[in-house]
Amino acid sequence: KQEVTQIPAALSVPEGENLVLNCSFTDSAIYNLQWFRQDPGKGLTSLLLIQSSQREQTSGRLNASLDKSSGRSTLYIAASQPGDSATYLCAVSITDSWGKLQFGAGTQVVVTP
Amino acid sequence: KAGVTQTPRYLIKTRGQQVTLSCSPISGHRSVSWYQQTPGQGLQFLFEYFSETQRNKGNFPGRFSGRQFSNSRSEMNVSTLELGDSALYLCASMLGVASYEQYFGPGTRLTVT
Repeated sequence: KQEVTQIPAALSVPEGENLVLNCSFTDSAIYNLQWFRQDPGKGLTSLLLIQSSQREQTSGRLNASLDKSSGRSTLYIAASQPGDSATYLCAVSITDSWGKLQFGAGTQVVVTP
Repeated sequence: KAGVTQTPRYLIKTRGQQVTLSCSPISGHRSVSWYQQTPGQGLQFLFEYFSETQRNKGNFPGRFSGRQFSNSRSEMNVSTLELGDSALYLCASMLGVASYEQYFGPGTRLTVT
């Protein structure tokens, strides 16, 4: 049974510092991995999607890496800003169940001015 | 392009009643997935519909059901509401063929009293 873990559960950094968020999964037979951002009481915003055949994806200040063999993904956010404060969630899907995402519990990030 | 919309945004129901939530996917998307988010359990997958057929199902009791219409809009129904059904219900849409990135709506906040 696939288990997705995110450590740490919470993180506080000063503005300008780089953020490193970790996601691990127990079954390496994933189809893709998605990173999301959630603001309090709101829906999820998709940040990056990495296919299982890819090693990394980049979008602006965000970079996500994937090591399928070790069951790990890392989201890097460069030069953090107070507006980056949110909960970040990772989720994996498997082949033939693409619409079924399995989520980690999330990392709550606070960026202080 | 309009995003995923969910109605209603907030709902208060009494134990024992039933409720229907609605989700309109992004135009052209054929897959709709539903998730329940609670502080204790996090995000859990309910079910996915693709071209009016249930393609995947999570581990929820039969009180939770759904359907999808020919225009891809989806509804989920919860019968005989329990206090533990209080949650944020999120739907997500994706193309469902060749592209499996999920886009989430703002959610429906259900409170059962």
